[in-house]
Amino acid sequence: AQKITQTQPGMFVQEKEAVTLDCTYDTSDQSYGLFWYKQPSSGEMIFLIYQGSYDEQNATEGRYSLNFQKARKSANLVISASQLGDSAMYFCAMREPYRDDKIIFGKGTRLHILP
Amino acid sequence: NAGVTQTPKFQVLKTGQSMTLQCAQDMNHNSMYWYRQDPGMGLRLIYYSASEGTTDKGEVPNGYNVSRLNKREFSLRLESAAPSQTSVYFCASSEVGEGLLAGGSRDTQYFGPGTRLTVL
Repeated sequence: AQKITQTQPGMFVQEKEAVTLDCTYDTSDQSYGLFWYKQPSSGEMIFLIYQGSYDEQNATEGRYSLNFQKARKSANLVISASQLGDSAMYFCAMREPYRDDKIIFGKGTRLHILP
Repeated sequence: NAGVTQTPKFQVLKTGQSMTLQCAQDMNHNSMYWYRQDPGMGLRLIYYSASEGTTDKGEVPNGYNVSRLNKREFSLRLESAAPSQTSVYFCASSEVGEGLLAGGSRDTQYFGPGTRLTVL
């Protein structure tokens, strides 16, 4: 079974609209971390936002927020007021520190922002 | 503060040739990682090093070796390159290691710019 599932291979969104990128995860651990990364066409991996499993509030970083629903094992990324520069590949990832030191990545969602 | 640096940026090899990809970080991080990225496959972990002097296999270690030379440097070696190793290779580092969930930036992995490798 996949540890990280991103069900949207591609999305098209109009500029200035809000975007939700879906991510579900699978773990039996109580302690874990969830991450979102952005990969623009230039290829670099850019860290966006982090949510710890014990964090009571949803993480926010500027226009990015993480809609963390622990019972549903869901960690959706919300981008408010999308911009053309948000067009990129987005990866959800999880770390289970008491299992090993790895981060497991989902297969990604390609987001296209339309002018 | 350069973060994570990788050399080379691009490389073309012939089948059977060997090469070493270099990675260095200047953030005093404990853990370092090597990933490969193939179309439609996301990132897959090749090897990682939770601390200086230790290395462990990831999801796809076959055909690769690694060396954690010191706290800063973590190299990936292809002894006999194969076309199936054509990929983009990323090095990453993070502050914390196994067994810890420190929160926020301390758990986060920071990536180098990548090496695009083609094996003919």
